[in-house]
Amino acid sequence: AQSVTQLGSHVSVSEGALVLLRCNYSSSVPPYLFWYVQYPNQGLQLLLKYTSAATLVKGINGFEAEFKKSETSFHLTKPSAHMSDAAEYFCAVSEKGGSEKLVFGKGMKLTVNP
Amino acid sequence: GAGVSQSPSNKVTEKGKDVELRCDPISGHTALYWYRQSLGQGLEFLIYFQGNSAPDKSGLPSDRFSAERTGGSVSTLTIQRTQQEDSAVYLCASSPYLGEQFFGPGTRLTVL
Repeated sequence: AQSVTQLGSHVSVSEGALVLLRCNYSSSVPPYLFWYVQYPNQGLQLLLKYTSAATLVKGINGFEAEFKKSETSFHLTKPSAHMSDAAEYFCAVSEKGGSEKLVFGKGMKLTVNP
Repeated sequence: GAGVSQSPSNKVTEKGKDVELRCDPISGHTALYWYRQSLGQGLEFLIYFQGNSAPDKSGLPSDRFSAERTGGSVSTLTIQRTQQEDSAVYLCASSPYLGEQFFGPGTRLTVL
């Protein structure tokens, strides 16, 4: 069975600081990995996805994530936080390219302080 | 173009009543998914439809939950004899074949 671990539930950064959101996965098959963002009272929006091509994946809004098989990790980063980045972030894993069920982590709420 | 839409946006019901939640996927998307988002359990998969194949119902928590997808388009999630633990946000997503999932805004269900 697949699973995703996002340790902690909240992270707070200052505007302009590095954003690092951690994600570790477990999968018996080569995984497809995703990061989604959820703004208040909205649905989920795809930030980026890893589908076995390049290990460093660039997404929207300046976010990127690196797939590290040896560490079973897919951490999300952004060099400089913006106030508009405040949201909840979910890491997810799938056995296929997103075209079947996603298994989500618990989510991480990001607060950006001025 | 239009995204995934869900109705109602909010639903308050009494324990024991049945509820129906509707999802209109993006036109042309062959796959449709239902997830549940709750404080205690996070985001959980419920059910998945792909074209004319039999749906994957492996995430439905009990036989009080059912879903159908008519004409390969609109889907309805039905919860019978609602319980307080059913209170959650129910999210629908659709995707083209082998493509990424696009999510709707969700229906917030409150069972009193």
